Amino acid sequence: AQKVTQAQTEISVVEKEDVTLDCVYETRDTTYYLFWYKQPPSGELVFLIRRNSFDEQNEISGRYSWNFQKSTSSFNFTITASQVVDSAVYFCALSADSSYKLIFGSGTRLLVRP
Amino acid sequence: DAGVIQSPRHEVTEMGQEVTLRCKPISGHDYLFWYRQTMMRGLELLIYFNNNVPIDDSGMPEDRFSAKMPNASFSTLKIQPSEPRDSAVYFCASSPGGSQPQHFGDGTRLSIL
Repeated sequence: AQKVTQAQTEISVVEKEDVTLDCVYETRDTTYYLFWYKQPPSGELVFLIRRNSFDEQNEISGRYSWNFQKSTSSFNFTITASQVVDSAVYFCALSADSSYKLIFGSGTRLLVRP
Repeated sequence: DAGVIQSPRHEVTEMGQEVTLRCKPISGHDYLFWYRQTMMRGLELLIYFNNNVPIDDSGMPEDRFSAKMPNASFSTLKIQPSEPRDSAVYFCASSPGGSQPQHFGDGTRLSIL
């Protein structure tokens, strides 16, 4: 069975702090895909990144970076110099070639205070 | 490019009524997904289609729920009869390939009284 665990329910930081959101996954598939989505207070789900299981390179996009480690089954997300606009719920998700449905974690609510 | 379009944005209806949610995927996307978001269960897949054919409906709660995709540009999710426990936000998403990122609509907030 596939599973995604986001152990941090809620994180509160002050603007300009760095923050890391943790994601641990379980799957028996050898080919799988990991995603992060952002859900701001307005409610829509915004795609942030996709990685496949064969590409462990870390990725940086502006203030966002992702660390994928197969050895620990983790796909963590770091926001550098956080801003108030980063306040949202962030979801980690998993899919695989056996089924393309997204298995979501329970989400981490990030509050960035001015 | 237009994103995934869902209608209605909000629906409030009484228990026992039929509810129909609609979705227009992004043009050219072969996969369409229906998800439901609740406080208790989080985000979970209900059903997904590939080229208008249902592939995985294991998340459909019970016979009261049905989904169709009559053509590449339209899908419906129907609940009949509706119950208060069906209250949730229902999202439609589409993607160009199964493993590609899914792009979500704004969701339909459904309240069953």
